[in-house]
Amino acid sequence: NAGVTQTPKFRVLKTGQSMTLLCAQDMNHEYMYWYRQDPGMGLRLIHYSVGEGTTAKGEVPDGYNVSRLKKQNFLLGLESAAPSQTSVYFCASNVGREGSGEQFFGPGTRLTVL
Amino acid sequence: GQNIDQPTEMTATEGAIVQINCTYQTSGFNGLFWYQQHAGEAPTFLSYNVLDGLEEKGRFSSFLSRSKGYSYLLLKELQMKDSASYLCAVVDSNYQLIWGAGTKLIIKP
Repeated sequence: NAGVTQTPKFRVLKTGQSMTLLCAQDMNHEYMYWYRQDPGMGLRLIHYSVGEGTTAKGEVPDGYNVSRLKKQNFLLGLESAAPSQTSVYFCASNVGREGSGEQFFGPGTRLTVL
Repeated sequence: GQNIDQPTEMTATEGAIVQINCTYQTSGFNGLFWYQQHAGEAPTFLSYNVLDGLEEKGRFSSFLSRSKGYSYLLLKELQMKDSASYLCAVVDSNYQLIWGAGTKLIIKP
């Protein structure tokens, strides 16, 4: 099993450009999450999904959109990138509230917006 | 508001013991996690506490006091590979994880 994978690992964008980050998991988990991690701050939840076809806003959703068309995939989109979105993005998944709760993380995507 | 406090950085010596504290104020409580994160890598699960008391797992132990809003992670027989950041996270009433900023642990020979 690959666990949680993320594509791409690194990306540099110019202000105003758009991109999509892909997260895939092969553990049949119901819940999936997108976080951003900035120096000196804890992980902050951007959006999450409690199952195929569902999405919900987290703590810092502005400037991002998500889609969960298939259970195993969770996409994070930036429509018009801004320098404030320079960060490391982590995707995570778990079985859901009735499960162990442990979240499994992907390797991260390092995004720089110039 | 919701708040998780951990020391920013700690230094310890190889072979010694270190205790990393975490205090929290959250809307509800449904458990507390500790994760380890090496530089440039993803967080990995260490422990989960939902009841008061000590959970031991090899060289690592985690303690919880719900009445005090307090937890600690105890690392024994420190090894150089334990140099990492340690993240405390609380599951709130909405079953969302609220993360602390992490404690960077530096191990010296």
